[in-house]
Amino acid sequence: GENVEQHPSTLSVQEGDSAVIKCTYSDSASNYFPWYKQELGKRPQLIIDIRSNVGEKKDQRIAVTLNKTAKHFSLHITETQPEDSAVYFCAASEVDTGRRALTFGSGTRLQVQP
Amino acid sequence: NAGVTQTPKFRILKIGQSMTLQCTQDMNHNYMYWYRQDPGMGLKLIYYSVGAGITDKGEVPNGYNVSRSTTEDFPLRLELAAPSQTSVYFCASSYSTAGSGNTIYFGEGSWLTVV
Repeated sequence: GENVEQHPSTLSVQEGDSAVIKCTYSDSASNYFPWYKQELGKRPQLIIDIRSNVGEKKDQRIAVTLNKTAKHFSLHITETQPEDSAVYFCAASEVDTGRRALTFGSGTRLQVQP
Repeated sequence: NAGVTQTPKFRILKIGQSMTLQCTQDMNHNYMYWYRQDPGMGLKLIYYSVGAGITDKGEVPNGYNVSRSTTEDFPLRLELAAPSQTSVYFCASSYSTAGSGNTIYFGEGSWLTVV
């Protein structure tokens, strides 16, 4: 089955700096890569996703890049703000056939220092 | 549109007791999932369903059972609760067809403690 590794496990940045979180996946059949943000005591919320036919996707201050050959994808947050502090999870799945369930990474706790 | 609704939100169980976590969605989603999240960890798939009458095991199915008699409902049953089942349980759903994405929507979670 799929295995997703995520690093770093914790990341502390100053407000206004950029943050980068990286993930690798093992199953070459995976073709859908979402990122979820989870605040303390809350449910995971989708913040951005990318299909394997796209190399990069941007939405305001967040962007995701995908390298299919190397089987890794990254989340980039620019101009970080204190409200970006949360746990971020990457995930992977194959969405054209099969179970389509997401396999999650272990999470990155991002702390943005004011 | 309530989305994905889970009950109960909090529950304390004694070792050996059984219970059912209820999950219902009103988005007419074909796929439904149960994940568990241990403290400080990622989410692990327990069971999933691709439609009414069809269920399958995920990564950590032992100690759990599910059923999917309707499109809307996907209850998770814990038999003979053990301390290792202390966790936060998230029900989720998605509408997925070939070639589309697979945005998964989560319920608010059920905090379960087994003592």
